[in-house]
Amino acid sequence: EVQLLESGGGLVQPGGSLRLSCAASGFTFSTYAMTWVRQAPGKGLEWVSAISPNAVGTYYADSVKGRFTISRDSSKNTLYLQMNSLRAEDTALYFCAKGFYTGSWYIAADYWGRGSLVTVSS
Amino acid sequence: QSALTQPPSASGSPGQSVTISCTGTSSDVGAYNYVSWYQQHPGKAPKLMIYEVSKRPSGVPDRFSGSKSGNTASLTVSGLQSEDEADYYCSSYAGSNNLLFGGGTKLTVL
Repeated sequence: EVQLLESGGGLVQPGGSLRLSCAASGFTFSTYAMTWVRQAPGKGLEWVSAISPNAVGTYYADSVKGRFTISRDSSKNTLYLQMNSLRAEDTALYFCAKGFYTGSWYIAADYWGRGSLVTVSS
Repeated sequence: QSALTQPPSASGSPGQSVTISCTGTSSDVGAYNYVSWYQQHPGKAPKLMIYEVSKRPSGVPDRFSGSKSGNTASLTVSGLQSEDEADYYCSSYAGSNNLLFGGGTKLTVL
């Protein structure tokens, strides 16, 4: 059974940093692209970042480019999102999601975690 | 790039059909057959219902179907059931390694 479990969220002041983790199990982690999607309270979904299976390709939404860094550790079956220079508008529930195919990450995400809440406030 | 446009709400009675639209541009929905639909119940993670415009993942009832015409994609739910009441989001590849989501549609089963 595929499982994705996010952690690392919390309350942080504007300008601060936080690192989210997503522990994956139930599939061959190293062969699938992975994605981060966020949802502000009461709002819709917003794509944040994606990473290719071999971590060579990393992709970011314009809203987080230069501030967030996605990475993965296949030895630990874990996906990460390093978030720096956080802003109030980054407040959201952050989901990690598994790519549907082993290749292109943008086609669809077939399994999602339950999310980790990040609150940016002074 | 702007989010895809979905109606804020849709509704139907049990057993009826309802269609939710997702309008983009010739640079996203119109350019690629990479439209997906996700169902999200309150407090839950999104669930993939349709991918590549009209394909259903294993386990998704065939009451759910997807289509596309020009810059607009659609999700149709036939034979509405109470458990279909949820938020639905479309997404589309927009080129240059960018993915767009729609604003979401709240489906109410009357």
